[in-house]
Amino acid sequence: DAKTTQPPSMDCAEGRAANLPCNHSTISGNEYVYWYRQIHSQGPQYIIHGLKNNETNEMASLIITEDRKSSTLILPHATLRDTAVYYCIVKEKLTFGTGTRLTIIP
Amino acid sequence: NAGVTQTPKFQVLKTGQSMTLQCAQDMNHEYMSWYRQDPGMGLRLIHYSVGAGITDQGEVPNGYNVSRSTTEDFPLRLLSAAPSQTSVYFCASAGVKGTDTQYFGPGTRLTVL
Repeated sequence: DAKTTQPPSMDCAEGRAANLPCNHSTISGNEYVYWYRQIHSQGPQYIIHGLKNNETNEMASLIITEDRKSSTLILPHATLRDTAVYYCIVKEKLTFGTGTRLTIIP
Repeated sequence: NAGVTQTPKFQVLKTGQSMTLQCAQDMNHEYMSWYRQDPGMGLRLIHYSVGAGITDQGEVPNGYNVSRSTTEDFPLRLLSAAPSQTSVYFCASAGVKGTDTQYFGPGTRLTVL
């Protein structure tokens, strides 16, 4: 199973774009990249997913490299409510890992 | 739609006691799963089910049983609680298509003394 590597923590200034990287160098050709976030102790919330093309929705954008070995989640205008732990996973229904704790700085 | 509901929200058990954590969903999802999250850690998959009557083990199944008699419900049973099972338990559901995303419940916070 493909595993992911994320930085344990990041800070971002309020109003700026938050760029969260994820390395998934062992991803297989038919595995999607999913991003979830967990605010405080709530259940994780789905953000976005993609296979090979860049994706955008009302919450975020997902940029996947051409070789699919890494991706970046972009929150275009971060707000204080975006402070959370962000998880990148490449096998939808398995272990989440420890994610990146994103802190938005006022 | 209520989505995914979990009961109870909080529970304290003594070592050796048994109990069942309840999970229900009203989205007609075929896939349901249970995760545990220890302090400062990510979520680890305990058991999952791809439909009524079908269950399988995840990463950390020891000490837990599940059954899936209906599409809506997926209870998690702790057979003999141990302090190592102190954790937050999340239930999730999804459709079974390859790109279906998961919807999570609010969690049950379990303490085993």
